[in-house]
Amino acid sequence: EAGVTQSPTHLIKTRGQQATLRCSPISGHTSVYWYQQALGLGLQFLLWYDEGEERNRGNFPPRFSGRQFPNYSSELNVNALELEDSALYLCASSQRVTGAPFPYNEQFFGPGTRLTVL
Amino acid sequence: AQTVTQSQPEMSVQEAETVTLSCTYDTSESDYYLFWYKQPPSRQMILVIRQEAYKQQNATENRFSVNFQKAAKSFSLKISDSQLGDAAMYFCAYRRYGATNKLIFGTGTLLAVQP
Repeated sequence: EAGVTQSPTHLIKTRGQQATLRCSPISGHTSVYWYQQALGLGLQFLLWYDEGEERNRGNFPPRFSGRQFPNYSSELNVNALELEDSALYLCASSQRVTGAPFPYNEQFFGPGTRLTVL
Repeated sequence: AQTVTQSQPEMSVQEAETVTLSCTYDTSESDYYLFWYKQPPSRQMILVIRQEAYKQQNATENRFSVNFQKAAKSFSLKISDSQLGDAAMYFCAYRRYGATNKLIFGTGTLLAVQP
């Protein structure tokens, strides 16, 4: 079974530009999550999409946005890039389950996209 | 707000020995999940083990086991018979039941395994 995939592996942009990061979840998973892993700040939750809808958002400015497509893949867009946006962006996916105390299974992560803003 | 604390930025263990990584968390919730993730130099986050708060029995996955103390809000990871491939950054994470579904991570513990 293929895992979560992300593209591109590395992305270099200049300040003020826009970046688009892509994620394909594990087959059968309907939820996609985005996390930012910045140096010195640890892993921070960005966004959660499920069934095409944004379900929850972390404490990030509106410059960070995304969407989920009908095939459950997802895009993260970062507008008006700032130097502090340089980080590893991790995507994770999870599966909806029935009969469990909580309807979403654990999250499985992709290898990440390293975004560098110059 | 929930927080996760890992007080050991770095740890070292000899190959074949046992090491315990510490994690404490703060929450007012009674139902939640706890996880340990491993992030090797390849950056891929790998789920090591998970614990449901309503289960009293400590989770075990092969050489990995946890000591879950709900009252003390403590969730330590024990790695037995350490192997060179265990060298990685280890993150403790919390997820509450409910609509948010987000993982809250600790700052990580970098584990070195000495041959």
